[in-house]
Amino acid sequence: NAGVTQTPKFQVLKTGQSMTLQCAQDMNHNSMYWYRQDPGMGLRLIYYSASEGTTDKGEVPNGYNVSRLNKREFSLRLESAAPSQTSVYFCASSVRPLAKNIQYFGAGTRLSVL
Amino acid sequence: KQEVTQIPAALSVPEGENLVLNCSFTDSAIYNLQWFRQDPGKGLTSLLLIQSSQREQTSGRLNASLDKSSGRSTLYIAASQPGDSATYLCAVSKNYGGSQGNLIFGKGTKLSVKP
Repeated sequence: NAGVTQTPKFQVLKTGQSMTLQCAQDMNHNSMYWYRQDPGMGLRLIYYSASEGTTDKGEVPNGYNVSRLNKREFSLRLESAAPSQTSVYFCASSVRPLAKNIQYFGAGTRLSVL
Repeated sequence: KQEVTQIPAALSVPEGENLVLNCSFTDSAIYNLQWFRQDPGKGLTSLLLIQSSQREQTSGRLNASLDKSSGRSTLYIAASQPGDSATYLCAVSKNYGGSQGNLIFGKGTKLSVKP
């Protein structure tokens, strides 16, 4: 009964380093999402994948890339990390974009870029 | 551009009190509205989802209402308990355009229930 699993839970990077945040869901959901949460800003959508094989930009996509590896997995890559990317990153999934659209969230990845 | 506002930003109440959290949104063309709970250091948990055609939803001590025409929703918590202490987030989903279904979040109300 795992739901949405994110790895790693914590990460510290130096400016310019790259890394990939992993997300997997076991609920057979079609749609997956990446958000970032910053103090005083709320959650903002980075990228989403409405279905396997498709990805689209959200509100704040600059500096990120995504891959929908298969129906279960949706990864977020930082090619050259910047201090402005220090944030908590959440992955979420839902059955379909326009169904009841209850989104189920992972526990988050806390990223610090020094 | 859709904007979601939650008032108050923080609220402290004694245990047992009934309370109301407010959410407003600027564009009434929504598909649905959701209320989430977020505990410190944790992810979000969906509490209630109201479709745009509905007026309210109830789950246990929680009742959420939606007035789409005025761009408002309230989350009513009855007989509050210390375990209700958390941040409550409101989010709306668009019903048009290329990013249908994506959520726009408010910044949340941090609730503290004192024993």
